[in-house]
Amino acid sequence: DTGVSQDPRHKITKRGQNVTFRCDPISEHNRLYWYRQTLGQGPEFLTYFQNEAQLEKSRLLSDRFSAERPKGSFSTLEIQRTEQGDSAMYLCASSLDTGSCYFGAGTRLSVL
Amino acid sequence: AQSVAQPEDQVNVAEGNPLTVKCTYSVSGNPYLFWYVQYPNRGLQFLLKYITGDNLVKGSYGFEAEFNKSQTSFHLKKPSALVSDSALYFCAVSGGASGGSYIPTFGRGTSLIVHP
Repeated sequence: DTGVSQDPRHKITKRGQNVTFRCDPISEHNRLYWYRQTLGQGPEFLTYFQNEAQLEKSRLLSDRFSAERPKGSFSTLEIQRTEQGDSAMYLCASSLDTGSCYFGAGTRLSVL
Repeated sequence: AQSVAQPEDQVNVAEGNPLTVKCTYSVSGNPYLFWYVQYPNRGLQFLLKYITGDNLVKGSYGFEAEFNKSQTSFHLKKPSALVSDSALYFCAVSGGASGGSYIPTFGRGTSLIVHP
């Protein structure tokens, strides 16, 4: 296993379109996190899964955002009706219980 | 709520000199503390962590960090900086098993620039 994989690496979309990102965590990791990072800022927590259960969501996560982790394996993050303010780097991380988080390379979203 | 402060937006150091990147934290209970490094257009790479035990933690690429409970600090250090160490460094805290949130909270990051 080469680590956490995210797809696509870059996404350019027009305002109002829907986008979906995928994250494949390290295979034995039971915890999966989504973060958002904008220029000059640290990663901001969006949502967290333990196995297939979504246990926590940030207040940053509007109802246009939805995340799933079917069968406790890969995860998807969907943004509906994208806005320019959604432009950011979306980072996925995984961990085994409370161990260290390992991050993917991220998906950079640009909303035009 | 737990939080991390990285008081310096940028740290400049000459190659071969020691470097320190500062981090202070706030959390309920005993903290789990982490340092990550980010290169341009890349995700975050794990450097080191403190969970329990020895206050001086050694990590990847010659980095180390010292946990100071009384000062609620976890500064990142390296005895001799390399130009290739130039990157963005993030400190993170989680509440561990004794309180606070187990979800890591990150600081804003510190840009380290090592001059030849």
